[in-house]
Amino acid sequence: AQTVTQSQPEMSVQEAETVTLSCTYDTSESDYYLFWYKQPPSRQMILVIRQEAYKQQNATENRFSVNFQKAAKSFSLKISDSQLGDAAMYFCAKGDAGNMLTFGGGTRLMVKP
Amino acid sequence: KAGVTQTPRYLIKTRGQQVTLSCSPISGHRSVSWYQQTPGQGLQFLFEYFSETQRNKGNFPGRFSGRQFSNSRSEMNVSTLELGDSALYLCASSVLGTSGRSEQFFGPGTRLTVL
Repeated sequence: AQTVTQSQPEMSVQEAETVTLSCTYDTSESDYYLFWYKQPPSRQMILVIRQEAYKQQNATENRFSVNFQKAAKSFSLKISDSQLGDAAMYFCAKGDAGNMLTFGGGTRLMVKP
Repeated sequence: KAGVTQTPRYLIKTRGQQVTLSCSPISGHRSVSWYQQTPGQGLQFLFEYFSETQRNKGNFPGRFSGRQFSNSRSEMNVSTLELGDSALYLCASSVLGTSGRSEQFFGPGTRLTVL
């Protein structure tokens, strides 16, 4: 079975600072998609950023960027200039057959004012 | 454009009962997936429907079933409820049908409590 692992159950960052959330995954495919989702206390899952495995360039979305290391099967999320609204659970996910997402266990991010 | 809607938002049932949850995808989206989220097991894929056909199924017992209608709305049914079925059930829709190629938009979830 495909697995996605987030080794940091909790992370803390000072407002305006930068934080990096880690994610590793297991796959035998060469072409796939990876995602980071944010789940605030409202429980609404929101897509933060996605990476296509065939693209060598790391994806960026405003303050959010990824460090995608295909050979190492690593997909970390960097949040720059952290804001209080960034506090949430963050899930790393891999896209599998038929739109199925395999999620990691999540990282709870706390942002300190 | 309206987002993914799920009804009801909260539900309380007792063991042995059955329950039906509903999901209305974003207009134009033909793929609907269901996920179960629990503190112990995390987010787990239940099944996906595309054009009224179940295309993929996760590792859940047969008590969990679903269907999709011609307007892409989907229902999920759980029969003979067990305490362990208490969870947040999330529905996600996407426009494309190819493997992992399209962004999935999630609904707010249905919180099911089994007593």
